[in-house]
Amino acid sequence: GEDVEQSLFLSVREGDSSVINCTYTDSSSTYLYWYKQEPGAGLQLLTYIFSNMDMKQDQRLTVLLNKKDKHLSLRIADTQTGDSAIYFCAESNSGGYQKVTFGTGTKLQVIP
Amino acid sequence: EPEVTQTPSHQVTQMGQEVILRCVPISNHLYFYWYRQILGQKVEFLVSFYNNEISEKSEIFDDQFSVERPDGSNFTLKIRSTKLEDSAMYFCASRVSEQYFGPGTRLTVT
Repeated sequence: GEDVEQSLFLSVREGDSSVINCTYTDSSSTYLYWYKQEPGAGLQLLTYIFSNMDMKQDQRLTVLLNKKDKHLSLRIADTQTGDSAIYFCAESNSGGYQKVTFGTGTKLQVIP
Repeated sequence: EPEVTQTPSHQVTQMGQEVILRCVPISNHLYFYWYRQILGQKVEFLVSFYNNEISEKSEIFDDQFSVERPDGSNFTLKIRSTKLEDSAMYFCASRVSEQYFGPGTRLTVT
């Protein structure tokens, strides 16, 4: 079945760039998502990329997709303390009804 | 900006009781989903719902679970007889294309 893997923890200094990496197994993935979850809160859709794209930029966020290696990354430029949260990589495919498969989440800690 | 809403934000219930978790998806969305996240674990798919019927469900979604869209706006998840292991955060989601999630309902079964 589908699987999505992420490292569990990332610590960066305020002002630096953060890069969160993810790998997935489903070659038929259509949407690749990044969701943000702050403590006790829901899943905020940060950004997503279609599988036929290599890159998507949205203000401080840059998503890179290497479809050959099934590798997705999220770069946050000028990381702020408010960016501290858990970041979930997720994918859904064009088959079925597009259930989303989530990774374990990467906890980003921003050090002032 | 339109958003998915869920009520209640926190529900405490005793084992064996029935609970209904409520969701209001984004109004022009056609596909609806429930997921759950047990504390410290991955977010897991439970069920998808389209055209007034279940379109896909996971192994977790057994006979104790049911979903309903009782009117044009609400989407509910019912757990008939709750177990301790049903304690989790339950997320509703909806989409036309990309999926948007609600803030979740924390269910605590004692």
